[in-house]
Amino acid sequence: DTAVSQTPKYLVTQMGNDKSIKCEQNLGHDTMYWYKQDSKKFLKIMFSYNNKELIINETVPNRFSPKSPDKAHLNLHINSLELGDSAVYFCASSQVRSSETQYFGPGTRLLVL
Amino acid sequence: GNSVTQMEGPVTLSEEAFLTINCTYTATGYPSLFWYVQYPGEGLQLLLKATKADDKGSNKGFEATYRKETTSFHLEKGSVQVSDSAVYFCALKGMDSSYKLIFGSGTRLLVRP
Repeated sequence: DTAVSQTPKYLVTQMGNDKSIKCEQNLGHDTMYWYKQDSKKFLKIMFSYNNKELIINETVPNRFSPKSPDKAHLNLHINSLELGDSAVYFCASSQVRSSETQYFGPGTRLLVL
Repeated sequence: GNSVTQMEGPVTLSEEAFLTINCTYTATGYPSLFWYVQYPGEGLQLLLKATKADDKGSNKGFEATYRKETTSFHLEKGSVQVSDSAVYFCALKGMDSSYKLIFGSGTRLLVRP
């Protein structure tokens, strides 16, 4: 009965590859988010979708492309991976975009070699 | 723009010691303020929140009071346990239409038996 789940949990890959991370929430929430946490634990929002519509798009390289096939899923595709992409990526959701509380997934640890 | 500043860690305490983790913010108007906690290997969880000045958020023995005059939201606990060892993030949600959560850099707490 996991609320926000992500796959895979760990991802090790070579520079230049393309990879995807998937996120699903079973809370019935309208809004989903992707965050990046760097090696110093600094956490920054990347994207947010509300009912499949992109509402937040921070200054992120266009190698990163989010896709929301429905409001319960938000996937992140990364092209031409670089060393600096190594981080933990967290998915989160909230009931509506103005909700006070966000619920986070367990994270996907990406290591680019 | 909106920002959150937290004290640098790590903070190392003995069990049953008193904890304070400082957090100050910069924002226009009256943002909502949060403390999230990240246990090792897990995603973030909401610990407590306060949505207006002078509100006190509390949960699991932790407290924080929204101080508009000092733009602060310091986290306190009277007696920490080993199980409180985690990274603590202060965050704010501004009053603009983006509804973004802005996180501080996180403070690692290590409680020794």
